Amino acid sequence: GAGVSQSPSNKVTEKGKDVELRCDPISGHTALYWYRQSLGQGLEFLIYFQGNSAPDKSGLPSDRFSAERTGGSVSTLTIQRTQQEDSAVYLCASSLVAGGLYEQYFGPGTRLTVT
Amino acid sequence: TQLLEQSPQFLSIQEGENLTVYCNSSSVFSSLQWYRQEPGEGPVLLVTVVTGGEVKKLKRLTFQFGDARKDSSLHITAAQPGDTGLYLCAGSKAAQKLVFGQGTRLTINP
Repeated sequence: GAGVSQSPSNKVTEKGKDVELRCDPISGHTALYWYRQSLGQGLEFLIYFQGNSAPDKSGLPSDRFSAERTGGSVSTLTIQRTQQEDSAVYLCASSLVAGGLYEQYFGPGTRLTVT
Repeated sequence: TQLLEQSPQFLSIQEGENLTVYCNSSSVFSSLQWYRQEPGEGPVLLVTVVTGGEVKKLKRLTFQFGDARKDSSLHITAAQPGDTGLYLCAGSKAAQKLVFGQGTRLTINP
């Protein structure tokens, strides 16, 4: 079956421009997550959506970052007025609750480079 | 503050050797997961452990969850070049949010 897909796979943008990153989760998965991974590092949690509940935005690093999830499926992460420190791989994951476990399945990521 | 500490951060060994990667925390987790990530790809889930003291085996990989559910280990027997990658542990405290370690970059030399 289809996994989590993300687009674009690579994005190069100039400092100060806005970018939108897209995530298509696995069909039927109710939870969706965004993470940021700097070169060779672990994953930094950004935001989490679960069904119709209010999203957990506790990981967003600044008010330049926002995300939405339309119709409980596709999600868009928007970064406004990009800075060089925003350069990273942005990973999306989705999960389906099974016995209380939230096993997450990741997309391939979007590599963002801010010049 | 890093809630999950992985060690070593880098490990390079010869094919056929054994190795152990550790994931430690002062916090208790309801479950712990191990992922492997290859360049240009997202992490892929290897295993989830939920019970203190639990041991799970996946071919040459053995995963253990500490009795107190604060730590975990990954042991690889007779490592192969295909085992090369970034290994990440991730703990769940509130069921839905995962806290990731910084990863162990493993290189197996032929």
